[in-house]
Amino acid sequence: SQELEQSPQSLIVQEGKNLTINCTSSKTLYGLYWYKQKYGEGLIFLMMLQKGGEEKSHEKITAKLDEKKQQSSLHITASQPSHAGIYLCGADPYYGQNFVFGPGTRLSVLP
Amino acid sequence: EAGVVQSPRYKIIEKKQPVAFWCNPISGHNTLYWYLQNLGQGPELLIRYENEEAVDDSQLPKDRFSAERLKGVDSTLKIQPAELGDSAVYLCASSLDRSGSPAGELFFGEGSRLTVL
Repeated sequence: SQELEQSPQSLIVQEGKNLTINCTSSKTLYGLYWYKQKYGEGLIFLMMLQKGGEEKSHEKITAKLDEKKQQSSLHITASQPSHAGIYLCGADPYYGQNFVFGPGTRLSVLP
Repeated sequence: EAGVVQSPRYKIIEKKQPVAFWCNPISGHNTLYWYLQNLGQGPELLIRYENEEAVDDSQLPKDRFSAERLKGVDSTLKIQPAELGDSAVYLCASSLDRSGSPAGELFFGEGSRLTVL
């Protein structure tokens, strides 16, 4: 079955610092998704990556998918308190299979 | 456009009591998911519907959990009887036609937080 690992498990950074969160799959991914969750709330879609080597950016968040399509990174530039939350990667293993999530990375940004 | 709506947001019950959660997906979304999320973990799929058909319920504990999606729109997830270990957040999500690939963006509700005493 598809398994996703995320690192680090938690992260505390000072406002303005850059940070990276990683997501690793045991199998080649058909699609890789990043979501953000604030405590007590649902998940909000951030980005989807499908092609090997693909990179997407939205505001100060950049996500990349490696060529082998087994590892993705989420990079936040000049972090702000509004970036705090839990970042989850999700994978679409291959056509017709169920979407699975990683365990999440809890980010705290200190003002 | 309204997002995925779930109710109740919070529910506290004693063990062995029944509980039900309701989900209204985004209009036009054929695929509906129920996920369970324990504290500090990612969501785990319980059941996925394509219209009114449950296409994957392999992770649903059928001895106490049941779900339905009559008419392929709203869905209800029921637990009877609830156990202490059922305390978690139950998330509902919807998406466009799942038969296409990739899965596409899932739209989540805010979740129903269950506490079993």
